[in-house]
Order: sequence, then structure tokens, then C-alpha cells
Amino acid sequence: DAKTTQPPSMDCAEGRAANLPCNHSTISGNEYVYWYRQIHSQGPQYIIHGLKNNETNEMASLIITEDRKSSTLILPHATLRDTAVYYCIVRAPPNNDMRFGAGTRLTVKP
Amino acid sequence: DGGITQSPKYLFRKEGQNVTLSCEQNLNHDAMYWYRQDPGQGLRLIYYSQIVNDFQKGDIAEGYSVSREKKESFPLTVTSAQKNPTAFYLCASSTQADNQPQHFGDGTRLSIL
Repeated sequence: DAKTTQPPSMDCAEGRAANLPCNHSTISGNEYVYWYRQIHSQGPQYIIHGLKNNETNEMASLIITEDRKSSTLILPHATLRDTAVYYCIVRAPPNNDMRFGAGTRLTVKP
Repeated sequence: DGGITQSPKYLFRKEGQNVTLSCEQNLNHDAMYWYRQDPGQGLRLIYYSQIVNDFQKGDIAEGYSVSREKKESFPLTVTSAQKNPTAFYLCASSTQADNQPQHFGDGTRLSIL
């Protein structure tokens, strides 16, 4: 499985867009990019996933570069409740083991 | 609402005691998973099951046991053989479609008395 690299921490002002980067330069053609977040003492929450096209849902947008070596999760209007650790995971089917790394701790500030 | 329910939220184990963590889902998912999370670390896979009456070991299965008698339920027993059981335990489920994400419960925090 491809290794992912994320910054350990980021800050964002409330109401602004939060852009969380993930580097996965060794990604294979059949590997998907998944994003989860985890608020302290809760289970990880699925946010979005994609293969090569950009994806958008009610929570966020996922931008994957054309060469697929990096991606960005965008929270369009961050709120204080978006403060959490965000994990970028690259997996090929069948994804029997979601290997969470250290993630990025996003702090949304008033 | 459909989801994954883990119980109890907090659990205490005495030395030499087996304890069972419950995981129930009403999402009609075929596959279920158990992970362990230690402070400041990622998740490690304990067991997973892709179908009723079948399950496979993950990376850290020693000292744990599971059963999958019903599609909705995947209980995890932490046995006395698990010498360092203090951790946050997470259950997840997913459909069998290859690229579909796993969805997680809110976890059980196990501590030793």
C-alpha cells in the first residue's frame, strides 16, 4: 500500500476554507484515496473518497492531482466543530484494513 | 437511523478475566472489523469477517477471539492471554463492494483494574 504524508497540525479561521494536503507519491493505479476524521474519544467518521476524479459531497470536496501523487481535502466553511484529526488513507480493493497513520490535527479558531 | 452500536462505552477488566465487547450494525453490511487504537497512534486490525460464520485474523489477533453467528453482530472477546488490553477498541462495517469505505462505531474504552 502507498505511504501517505500529512502535516502534523494546521490551524484555520472559523468560516474560512480548510485545505488539508496529503502526499501519496507511490500510489498505484487501483488504489483509492479515503479521508476520515476523528474527534477525541469518538470513532473515525468517513468523509469522502475517490480514485482519480475530483469528488464533492455534503461534507467536503476532494481534489486529486492529475498524476494522483497528492490530494487535498477541502472543508469549504470550517466551523469549530470541524476541529479534529484528519486522516488520509490510500488503499486498494479489497480494503480489509484501513491503516490510519498519524493524520493532521486541524484546529478551527474563532 | 442506521449505524453501528458499540457497548459498553467504558469497560474495566480484572486480572485473569475475559471480557466481551459488543458490536451491532443495522446497515445490512456483510463485512465487519475490529481495530485497536492506542493513545496517539493509528488503528491496528485485530479480526475481520466478510461473511457470517467466517472470520480472519488481522495483525494483532493474539489474545483476542471473535464470532460471527449473525450478520448484524460481531462480538470481540479480550481474553486473559492479552497482557496489555488497555486501549480504545473500534468496530467497523462495510459492504462487499471493493472500494466502499468502512464505517465506524464510537468505540469502547477498556481499562485494567
